[in-house]
Amino acid sequence: AQSVTQLGSHVSVSEGALVLLRCNYSSSVPPYLFWYVQYPNQGLQLLLKYTSAATLVKGINGFEAEFKKSETSFHLTKPSAHMSDAAEYFCAVDDGGGADGLTFGKGTHLIIQP
Amino acid sequence: NAGVTQTPKFQVLKTGQSMTLQCAQDMNHEYMSWYRQDPGMGLRLIHYSVGAGITDQGEVPNGYNVSRSTTEDFPLRLLSAAPSQTSVYFCASTLALFGGNTIYFGEGSWLTVV
Repeated sequence: AQSVTQLGSHVSVSEGALVLLRCNYSSSVPPYLFWYVQYPNQGLQLLLKYTSAATLVKGINGFEAEFKKSETSFHLTKPSAHMSDAAEYFCAVDDGGGADGLTFGKGTHLIIQP
Repeated sequence: NAGVTQTPKFQVLKTGQSMTLQCAQDMNHEYMSWYRQDPGMGLRLIHYSVGAGITDQGEVPNGYNVSRSTTEDFPLRLLSAAPSQTSVYFCASTLALFGGNTIYFGEGSWLTVV
């Protein structure tokens, strides 16, 4: 069975600082991995996804994530935080093991300090 | 460019009342699903459908009912609302499971049961 762990329910960074949101997964087979962002009172929007093409995946709004099989991780980074990045971020995994689709982490709330 | 459309956006129900959350997608996606989002719990799958006429239970199906008479529509019914069903509900769709296909989300429905 697949599972996702996001370390830190809240992460606070200063504007202009590096953003690092951690995601570790558990899967018996090479998975597909996703990061979604949710702005206040809105639905989830895809940031980026890993589908076994390249281990470093670039997404929208300057975010990127690196798939590390040996560490079973898919951490999300952005070199310089903007105030507009304040949102909830969800990591999700799909290992194709069933028709119930993605398994989501519990989310990380990113706070940007001015 | 509608994508996934959910209605209503906000609803207040009394305990014991029933209601239907509507969901429609215009992308000809076979797979549709309903999630609920609660603080600290991430997204949990309620029900899903892999095509018209086919539905199945997710992680938290109790108290909810679904049907899929057309490819486009996937309504979620609350049979007898309870305060524990106070939550944010998201409808989602994707072309097909597996293969790393992006799952698209609606804007959400905020439900309060008093």
